Amino acid sequence: DTGVSQDPRHKITKRGQNVTFRCDPISEHNRLYWYRQTLGQGPEFLTYFQNEAQLEKSRLLSDRFSAERPKGSFSTLEIQRTEQGDSAMYLCASERSSYNEQFFGPGTRLTVL
Amino acid sequence: AQKITQTQPGMFVQEKEAVTLDCTYDTSDPSYGLFWYKQPSSGEMIFLIYQGSYDQQNATEGRYSLNFQKARKSANLVISASQLGDSAMYFCAMRAPGDDMRFGAGTRLTVKP
Repeated sequence: DTGVSQDPRHKITKRGQNVTFRCDPISEHNRLYWYRQTLGQGPEFLTYFQNEAQLEKSRLLSDRFSAERPKGSFSTLEIQRTEQGDSAMYLCASERSSYNEQFFGPGTRLTVL
Repeated sequence: AQKITQTQPGMFVQEKEAVTLDCTYDTSDPSYGLFWYKQPSSGEMIFLIYQGSYDQQNATEGRYSLNFQKARKSANLVISASQLGDSAMYFCAMRAPGDDMRFGAGTRLTVKP
């Protein structure tokens, strides 16, 4: 399978706990995006990497959120001190520079109790 | 600021019929791209079709075509010969240079046998 993969697919956690999600992009894609999608809405941009550099962050990304992409390969998104409002689907997408299509992973559905 | 509007929360179509999903957008950038994605219940966003703002012809991909009316700022998706497997959420998205991808709220399409 050469598509974008995300792990875990589902995560249930208690409020106040930390969670970390992983995204493995398509290998030749140098751009990687994180989105958040709540029920009944379209995805909302969170942050974007070109290779290992984090080039843009949305104001939706509070200081409890941090994302990394060491060595420009896989990426992790960590949420510290989770809140019930963090419950959502977290989607990762990758893209090759100068191409227009973003390929999405299956998402990680987070439920904060 | 870029904005995408999908005014149809839900649509029904009979199997084998054609259906049009509406999308309007707002941007002051002369250069932009328009996208349609399909999201089945499994959650993965599947790219369907792309239209560049300078493209002279409407984009087509198999049973999908994009009815691009630049002056009206609309980019409606037409699905011909609907199949039961077309039942899903459909998202319109736009991207301008230097900006992130903006998604509409989506339209839930149900294909009836």
